[in-house]
Amino acid sequence: NAGVTQTPKFRILKIGQSMTLQCTQDMNHNYMYWYRQDPGMGLKLIYYSVGAGITDKGEVPNGYNVSRSTTEDFPLRLELAAPSQTSVYFCASTSEGTWREQYFGPGTRLTVT
Amino acid sequence: GENVEQHPSTLSVQEGDSAVIKCTYSDSASNYFPWYKQELGKRPQLIIDIRSNVGEKKDQRIAVTLNKTAKHFSLHITETQPEDSAVYFCAASKGTNAGKSTFGDGTTLTVKP
Repeated sequence: NAGVTQTPKFRILKIGQSMTLQCTQDMNHNYMYWYRQDPGMGLKLIYYSVGAGITDKGEVPNGYNVSRSTTEDFPLRLELAAPSQTSVYFCASTSEGTWREQYFGPGTRLTVT
Repeated sequence: GENVEQHPSTLSVQEGDSAVIKCTYSDSASNYFPWYKQELGKRPQLIIDIRSNVGEKKDQRIAVTLNKTAKHFSLHITETQPEDSAVYFCAASKGTNAGKSTFGDGTTLTVKP
């Protein structure tokens, strides 16, 4: 199993541009998550999904959108990028049920200038 | 919502000494408390977790304790080694709440040889 994979690894965006961060998992996990990690800080939940077709906002959803058309994929869309969105983005997944650890992808380092 | 506070933010110890990191949580319904280790530039990875029906769990040099009454839990690393140097995150979640975890802001542990 590849686990959770993310693309791209690095990206530089200009203010106002848009992009999609890709996330795929091959563990057949129902639950998937997007976090951002600002320098020296913890992980903040942006959006999450409990299954295909079902998404919900997390703690910091403004400026982002998600979709979940399949169990495997959970892309994160940035519209009109702003410098405040400069961060490292982690996708994670977990299986349904209680007391389940989250498996993280390698992260995408995004800079908006 | 849940609030997790983590202390200290930085911790420096001599190789062979013990290290203790503490977290408090606010939601008494939280029942799963994982600890993640994040090496520089890498993804967070689970190192140990504890469930609310257990007061202590140990795995070789790493142990975690939970005090549900006081709503705090701690990570203990004994006989620290330079490779233990990393950022450590605690988290809290309710098992039925779509697996969503609230993370602490992290502790940067430096083990000096």
